[in-house]
Amino acid sequence: DVKVTQSSRYLVKRTGEKVFLECVQDMDHENMFWYRQDPGLGLRLIYFSYDVKMKEKGDIPEGYSVSREKKERFSLILESASTNQTSMYLCASSIGLAGEGDTQYFGPGTRLTVL
Amino acid sequence: GENVEQHPSTLSVQEGDSAVIKCTYSDSASNYFPWYKQELGKRPQLIIDIRSNVGEKKDQRIAVTLNKTAKHFSLHITETQPEDSAVYFCAASKGYSTLTFGKGTMLLVSP
Repeated sequence: DVKVTQSSRYLVKRTGEKVFLECVQDMDHENMFWYRQDPGLGLRLIYFSYDVKMKEKGDIPEGYSVSREKKERFSLILESASTNQTSMYLCASSIGLAGEGDTQYFGPGTRLTVL
Repeated sequence: GENVEQHPSTLSVQEGDSAVIKCTYSDSASNYFPWYKQELGKRPQLIIDIRSNVGEKKDQRIAVTLNKTAKHFSLHITETQPEDSAVYFCAASKGYSTLTFGKGTMLLVSP
């Protein structure tokens, strides 16, 4: 079974703090993704990576950055957290990209609250 | 870019009834359409998908239909059960691009 894990299920941070969300997958997948999930807005892509050290902006990259130093690990960074970044963050991984029909496997999510 | 609209946002049915969730997409080049199910407090999981060269696909009680001309696709669940209660997301993609998700449908199946 594919296993995607995220470092925290719940996280509470203060406005202005630097926040790191970590994601690890154990299936040697090439592609990794960070989504944000908000009620009524569905899943919105923040960033994705198709290889080590490679990254591409998704639909809502503002206020976020990412790092992929190792194939199995993809980090989402909030340089200076703001209250409007309070959300559920989901990581996913896949062998290939979506248009090739490759399934995305999701992590359990991190619910981040910024006070 | 691609835009995916999903309806309805909420759907309540009685156990044993059928449920239909509809999605439309904007990019006629999209060729892959998966559906994900997210139970309360859990991660989204793929339940069924369809490619643009196929009009319909079934897997037990769930089926997906695709109308390329109208650019819409639908999820059909027959003989619904309480464990079908969840949020369902449709998505679309083309070529080597990423998935664009709909906003989700909360399905509630009452016993």
